Parts: sequence; C-alpha cells; structure tokens
Amino acid sequence: ETGVTQTPRHLVMGMTNKKSLKCEQHLGHNAMYWYKQSAKKPLELMFVYSLEERVENNSVPSRFSPECPNSSHLFLHLHTLQPEDSALYLCASSQGTVQETQYFGPGTRLLVL
Amino acid sequence: AQKVTQAQTEISVVEKEDVTLDCVYETRDTTYYLFWYKQPPSGELVFLIRRNSFDEQNEISGRYSWNFQKSTSSFNFTITASQVVDSAVYFCALSPRRGGKLIFGQGTELSVKP
Repeated sequence: ETGVTQTPRHLVMGMTNKKSLKCEQHLGHNAMYWYKQSAKKPLELMFVYSLEERVENNSVPSRFSPECPNSSHLFLHLHTLQPEDSALYLCASSQGTVQETQYFGPGTRLLVL
Repeated sequence: AQKVTQAQTEISVVEKEDVTLDCVYETRDTTYYLFWYKQPPSGELVFLIRRNSFDEQNEISGRYSWNFQKSTSSFNFTITASQVVDSAVYFCALSPRRGGKLIFGQGTELSVKP
C-alpha cells in the first residue's frame, strides 16, 4: 500500500472554479508538505505543517489555501486560479520537520484553462 | 547560501551502460543530510537514499551506488548496468541543520534506451 496518497490524480479546472486537492498519509508522520512542480522548474515548497500547525508559508498567493485537520490529512483549496498555476502538486510527509526523510505522494496534475 | 547543483540536465545512455549523475551542494552547516530521489514518468518522487554529513562511507545498493566526498561537496550517484526502467528524473537534495527543509537541485533526466 502506498504510504502517501493523493486525490484526484488529474484535475482540469476553469479560472472561476473552486476545487480541493486531498492528501493522506498512512505512515504515522507528524509533518506534511505541499510542493509545486512546474515544467522545467525545480520543486517549490509551498506549505509545511507540523502537528497540524502551519510552520511555513513560502509567499504563496492567497488563491491557494491549505488545511490540515489532523496529522494524517492535508488539503489544498484552490479558487480563482490562473493558467500559470498549472503544474504537478505533490504532497509529502515526514516524521518531523528537521532533516527527516520526506515521502511523497503520486501528485495531482492540475490544468487551469 | 544553501544550494544544490545538478549540472547535467539530460543524460541519454544505452541499456547496460554505467551512468553517473553528479550533485554538488553548498552549505555552511557542519551537520546536514543529503538525499537522492527518483521521479519516474508517473510523477511520484521515490526516496532512494539519505546520507548524514558525518558518514563519508560510500554506499552500494544493488546496481546503485553513491559517492559522498565532503572535500569537493559532492554526492554523486552511479547506476551500474542501466536498464530501461531506470529512465526517470533524478533529484539530489540537501537538508541543512538550520530550517531543516529540503533544498532540491534542478534534476537530471536520465533516458536509458534499449
């Protein structure tokens, strides 16, 4: 069984839509992350949660809104996105936030029309 | 500055060839960790190895081996007798003591042709 799952795997949305990405980890970890991976660009860390508290927010536009209801679940709520937000969104988890191995989910491929 | 450089953007080899992926890092921390991840076309980053800065022993796992050289700030990854299934993007990453977050290189796209 995959340790970190993400749904949906693919998403197409218009600029006026509202959608949510879901991530679930089955590893008993305390930290969860959202990354954005655009074509030809390195991975960009968006948000970090540790024990359900947001500990990092890397200047992400407010049209991306994270939510971490418990240590196993992480959501990314999307609204009024732009075409340049089209990317692969990866979720990861780790035991702690300092120098721990991060385990990644399969990602959600998002296309904004 | 904390930085990871993977100078090779794309590498193409023929099956059964050996291939080395280079990784050079920068950090002022004396305690840090280095990682390699594999990203196949499906998109998921697969963890391959984590190495502590105090452990300079090279590591071998099957066809994979890693060469950590602190003197040159490098952590290179070699695949011996490459196979088509090794085709993927490989990322090297650094986790410094301060902040602790993963700093990724740009990735090297490896294509292994039959």
